[in-house]
Amino acid sequence: GQNIDQPTEMTATEGAIVQINCTYQTSGFNGLFWYQQHAGEAPTFLSYNVLDGLEEKGRFSSFLSRSKGYSYLLLKELQMKDSASYLCAVITTDSWGKLQFGAGTQVVVTP
Amino acid sequence: DGGITQSPKYLFRKEGQNVTLSCEQNLNHDAMYWYRQDPGQGLRLIYYSQIVNDFQKGDIAEGYSVSREKKESFPLTVTSAQKNPTAFYLCASSSGTGGGNTEAFFGQGTRLTVV
Repeated sequence: GQNIDQPTEMTATEGAIVQINCTYQTSGFNGLFWYQQHAGEAPTFLSYNVLDGLEEKGRFSSFLSRSKGYSYLLLKELQMKDSASYLCAVITTDSWGKLQFGAGTQVVVTP
Repeated sequence: DGGITQSPKYLFRKEGQNVTLSCEQNLNHDAMYWYRQDPGQGLRLIYYSQIVNDFQKGDIAEGYSVSREKKESFPLTVTSAQKNPTAFYLCASSSGTGGGNTEAFFGQGTRLTVV
């Protein structure tokens, strides 16, 4: 099986930076995804990492270290609309494309 | 427009009844998934399918059943054996079978309530 761990909640002020960590234990690792989910809505794709390093997309960046089983999502210049749950998900090859999610991190942005 | 569609958006079920949630995609994706989400929690995998006429149990398959007779469709039946079915159900699809960029696209979800 897979263990995917993320903090439950984080609070930050508008304009600040927040880093959401995700650790995982799995075999046959084949990629890690970050999704954003607003309350009552479907998750939307933010980023994908399969190689070590940093992927940057505007205000959002995602980092992966395969040897450490660790990823983080960095949100810069926080806006009120960034208040949402952020889900880390891992896909593996040995379970034939099984996509599993962590419990999510609720980010609260305050004025 | 290409996408993934779930129906209905809201569903009420009496105890002891089976109900079927629909999921259709026109993205030509091979893989499809069903997840359950309870308030304030993450997504838990119920069933997934990588190819027509084949599917695998996820972490919480008990009390649920699926079929994959067509590539476009992956309906989920919540049976009376599921003791606590009230939840938000999400269907997703992706293009790959585990390799490369296999981003999953989600439907808008079905909120099931047992009355």
